[in-house]
Amino acid sequence: DTAVSQTPKYLVTQMGNDKSIKCEQNLGHDTMYWYKQDSKKFLKIMFSYNNKELIINETVPNRFSPKSPDKAHLNLHINSLELGDSAVYFCASSQDRPGPQYFGPGTRLTVL
Amino acid sequence: AQKITQTQPGMFVQEKEAVTLDCTYDTSDPSYGLFWYKQPSSGEMIFLIYQGSYDQQNATEGRYSLNFQKARKSANLVISASQLGDSAMYFCAMRESQGAQKLVFGQGTRLTINP
Repeated sequence: DTAVSQTPKYLVTQMGNDKSIKCEQNLGHDTMYWYKQDSKKFLKIMFSYNNKELIINETVPNRFSPKSPDKAHLNLHINSLELGDSAVYFCASSQDRPGPQYFGPGTRLTVL
Repeated sequence: AQKITQTQPGMFVQEKEAVTLDCTYDTSDPSYGLFWYKQPSSGEMIFLIYQGSYDQQNATEGRYSLNFQKARKSANLVISASQLGDSAMYFCAMRESQGAQKLVFGQGTRLTINP
């Protein structure tokens, strides 16, 4: 039973393209997140949704647009991809505080 | 503002030895949570252990324990009887109770267990 799943696992694309990453959680959690892990392994929050409402938007370029059709799904759409967008993107979910966030397997995005 | 510091970029330990990974934090929020995650070479982020700021006892989960020293603002991870499979990146993270529920991560420590 996969708790937090992401598709695709790998994404290789050309600069300027638009791409989406999908995330689903079957844990019944209320809150979902997107994190970005750069080439130096540093993890940083991008967005958070609670019951389909955006609660965190952490100074991310507006080329990145999260969408939450329901509380079990949080997708990330990226327009006009740039070289600097190459990273691993993690989806995560949690219940309301306290407690941990559970992460998906990550999506490695490579922009050529 | 939240801040998490992991001062050990890399550590090398002999198999079966205990290892302590350091983590210090800074926050003005009296209520917060501290977390450790493991990231093996396969890339997934695995939750290991959680400590709440008001918890009286140090958290333990199997071979993992969290040495929580509130006055020093430290939350070190102790792994007992290390195994080859413990080789991975380890991240300390904090979440404040006020405001958004984001995790703020440290820089990570790469742990290598030698046979």
